[in-house]
Amino acid sequence: DQQVKQNSPSLSVQEGRISILNCDYTNSMFDYFLWYKKYPAEGPTFLISISSIKDKNEDGRFTVFLNKSAKHLSLHIVPSQPGDSAVYFCAASVKNAGNMLTFGGGTRLMVKP
Amino acid sequence: NAGVTQTPKFRILKIGQSMTLQCTQDMNHNYMYWYRQDPGMGLKLIYYSVGAGITDKGEVPNGYNVSRSTTEDFPLRLELAAPSQTSVYFCASSLQGYEQYFGPGTRLTVT
Repeated sequence: DQQVKQNSPSLSVQEGRISILNCDYTNSMFDYFLWYKKYPAEGPTFLISISSIKDKNEDGRFTVFLNKSAKHLSLHIVPSQPGDSAVYFCAASVKNAGNMLTFGGGTRLMVKP
Repeated sequence: NAGVTQTPKFRILKIGQSMTLQCTQDMNHNYMYWYRQDPGMGLKLIYYSVGAGITDKGEVPNGYNVSRSTTEDFPLRLELAAPSQTSVYFCASSLQGYEQYFGPGTRLTVT
């Protein structure tokens, strides 16, 4: 039973346009959400996060939106750049002893020049 | 400041062999984690530790063991390797658990 799902395995966007990556979750106990970016042959790197008490968090070109009633979050990248081409994972956590992360399956973003 | 380092980068094991994947972090993080990533899938938590001497199971712990004798090191032991353990293994560390810093991964093939 996947608690965090990324239903689009891939997304292709033109350079300069907006990229929107989506993530759905089922566990209403999740209280912190994160996005990670992963290049081939490297470990994931933290991109941006949002607490469940907020509905939006912005960091430069990256904005994460959280809709708790729909159990949905999205990552917006504006404007998209070729260097953004990577696999993006959303992750969620319940505040507990280990603050463990549950990851989605990832979305491969390709930004075309 | 090297962050999280993992050795080896690649390894091929025969069925039934054992090995230890090494993980070291120099950020003085209390929390450390081991994940595996199968092709086309997300990361699944194998084991985690919230401090030296404390370890606990994650989602997929069967076939693995860990120890945490120091803050810096969190080795993952595979006993009696099986083809189902063919995967990429990532170690991560964190100050408080949420924002985790990952190592470059170890690609393991069991044949």
